[in-house]
Amino acid sequence: QQKVQQSPESLTVSEGAMASLNCTFSDRSSDNFRWYRQHSGKGLEVLVSIFSDGEKEEGSFTAHLNRASLHVFLHIREPQPSDSALYLCAVGCNYNVGDNSKLIWGLGTSLVVNP
Amino acid sequence: AQTIHQWPVAEIKAVGSPLSLGCTIKGKSSPNLYWYWQATGGTLQQLFYSITVGQVESVVQLNLSASRPKDDQFILSTEKLLLSHSGFYLCAWGTGENTLYFGAGTRLSVL
Repeated sequence: QQKVQQSPESLTVSEGAMASLNCTFSDRSSDNFRWYRQHSGKGLEVLVSIFSDGEKEEGSFTAHLNRASLHVFLHIREPQPSDSALYLCAVGCNYNVGDNSKLIWGLGTSLVVNP
Repeated sequence: AQTIHQWPVAEIKAVGSPLSLGCTIKGKSSPNLYWYWQATGGTLQQLFYSITVGQVESVVQLNLSASRPKDDQFILSTEKLLLSHSGFYLCAWGTGENTLYFGAGTRLSVL
């Protein structure tokens, strides 16, 4: 059974300082990984999806996948106070276009960016 | 551009009362549609998905049902709410790159 864990549980950074979030998964055959964020009381916003080892950049967000070490990181370059939100990692395996039950979600990292 | 609209934004309901939550997607034909639920402090759980009108697959049994009466509409409902139904309900549509786009959600409090 796939397990997805995120760390740290909460993170406070100053505006402009790099923020790094970690997501650990347990199934080495996982083949799709994505980062989302959720502002308080709002829906989820997709940030970046990655499907192979290495890095994928979308704006100020960079996902770094290392399947051998079972980690996928999210780096946020020069975060702003508006980036304060809950960041969620989702990991999938043998993706089926209909059945997203194979997407396993972490509990999230709560990021606070201070001005 | 695609837009996804959920209603209502929030609901406070009594145990045993009925519930109907709605989701509409505009700008995307024949989307794959999903209902997710997030208990307070919990992780996201997929409840239902639908690939086409009239066809809905259940993923988790929570005494809820879903229907897709139109291509752009997905409805979540129950005739009798339980306390355990409280939480945040999210509707989403999916792309070929396996990425989900979520609505703003409905916060449900069952008292």
